[in-house]
Amino acid sequence: GAGVSQSPSNKVTEKGKDVELRCDPISGHTALYWYRQRLGQGLEFLIYFQGNSAPDKSGLPSDRFSAERTGESVSTLTIQRTQQEDSAVYLCASSPRTATNEKLFFGSGTQLSVL
Amino acid sequence: SQQGEEDPQALSIQEGENATMNCSYKTSINNLQWYRQNSGRGLVHLILIRSNEREKHSGRLRVTLDTSKKSSSLLITASRAADTASYFCATLPFYNQGGKLIFGQGTELSVKP
Repeated sequence: GAGVSQSPSNKVTEKGKDVELRCDPISGHTALYWYRQRLGQGLEFLIYFQGNSAPDKSGLPSDRFSAERTGESVSTLTIQRTQQEDSAVYLCASSPRTATNEKLFFGSGTQLSVL
Repeated sequence: SQQGEEDPQALSIQEGENATMNCSYKTSINNLQWYRQNSGRGLVHLILIRSNEREKHSGRLRVTLDTSKKSSSLLITASRAADTASYFCATLPFYNQGGKLIFGQGTELSVKP
């Protein structure tokens, strides 16, 4: 596609429910990142996928958070048993990660509100 | 915890003035990047500077990097109201070349017409 696509753009859920957030990266981009941004805060790294390598999950805040990516395509971030502190914008980014192009291309994010 | 720290947290200037934002980091880096964010949603890449570079220009943007002080600055010259946004620095740590970009907390810039 033309850019990184995230869905849904907004999600309102009740505490304790599970949610799935989707990211469609730019075609051909081998690297994919998930970040979380609380209101007025910076970006908090969650997880990073690079090609067929094992993902870097070091930023996942708890075992309620998980993410998958099939090959170099779509990624899904799942939050189980959501809590109010999970409310944030979840941003996905992809990158070609070549030697000359390491910049990230971001989607518009999913605004998650846990009531 | 985030490696990058931006300074100031917020900056308000008049149109036509220059805006300077600073970023400090803790570990050796491969490169440092600046991003812009409007309305709390997707970020847009502005400029990348590598660890062996000291200064880089792109239009009205000027970025400097001082690896001895582990700091960078972003200068926006002749600012416009449309430059109002949050600006973030992001570093690619040298020890983790195949890994994640680490973002700072950002500087919120307001340019008044």
